[in-house]
Amino acid sequence: GAVVSQHPSWVICKSGTSVKIECRSLDFQATTMFWYRQFPKQSLMLMATSNEGSKATYEQGVEKDKFLINHASLTLSTLTVTSAHPEDSSFYICSAKFRDRSQPQHFGDGTRLSIL
Amino acid sequence: KQEVTQIPAALSVPEGENLVLNCSFTDSAIYNLQWFRQDPGKGLTSLLLIQSSQREQTSGRLNASLDKSSGRSTLYIAASQPGDSATYLCAVTYGNNRLAFGKGNQVVVIP
Repeated sequence: GAVVSQHPSWVICKSGTSVKIECRSLDFQATTMFWYRQFPKQSLMLMATSNEGSKATYEQGVEKDKFLINHASLTLSTLTVTSAHPEDSSFYICSAKFRDRSQPQHFGDGTRLSIL
Repeated sequence: KQEVTQIPAALSVPEGENLVLNCSFTDSAIYNLQWFRQDPGKGLTSLLLIQSSQREQTSGRLNASLDKSSGRSTLYIAASQPGDSATYLCAVTYGNNRLAFGKGNQVVVIP
């Protein structure tokens, strides 16, 4: 079946560092990828929708200058957390799907980001 | 705005008992509903997908029902096993391919 690969799985870095997270669809072309953030014991919250070849659409309250999204190809989307601070520590998960709305989204294994 | 609620937030059951997990959503204009499993610190594993035109889906010991008009879904897990211990998330697809998630049902199956 379809597989989404997310890398890295765990990052620990100092405050002020920029961190890039990659999301790849391994055996299908994903015109749309989604980035979510999950705090402990909370729901996954959609941060942005990434469309291949165009600008990402950010949810209300998500700073687009802080969370840079690039979807340069049909199999790769990246999320860069710029100048990360401790409050950005969270679990970030990406998903990808076919254009057909009836198909499920396929999720990566997530990235645990810890900012010291 | 679509809101998804899952009850109970947490539950513990002895091995062998059946599990019943509930999910409700506020806007019935959905395309489908998915149940996921999430292990601690891990990503999501899709368990069942129910299209808006369907009433239920089954996979092995898992059965999920959908009542779109009342905004409810139930996940049944028969004859629970310790390996079923995890958090179960319900999510609905609505609008422009957006997914709205509940906070999850945290399940512990006691051997």
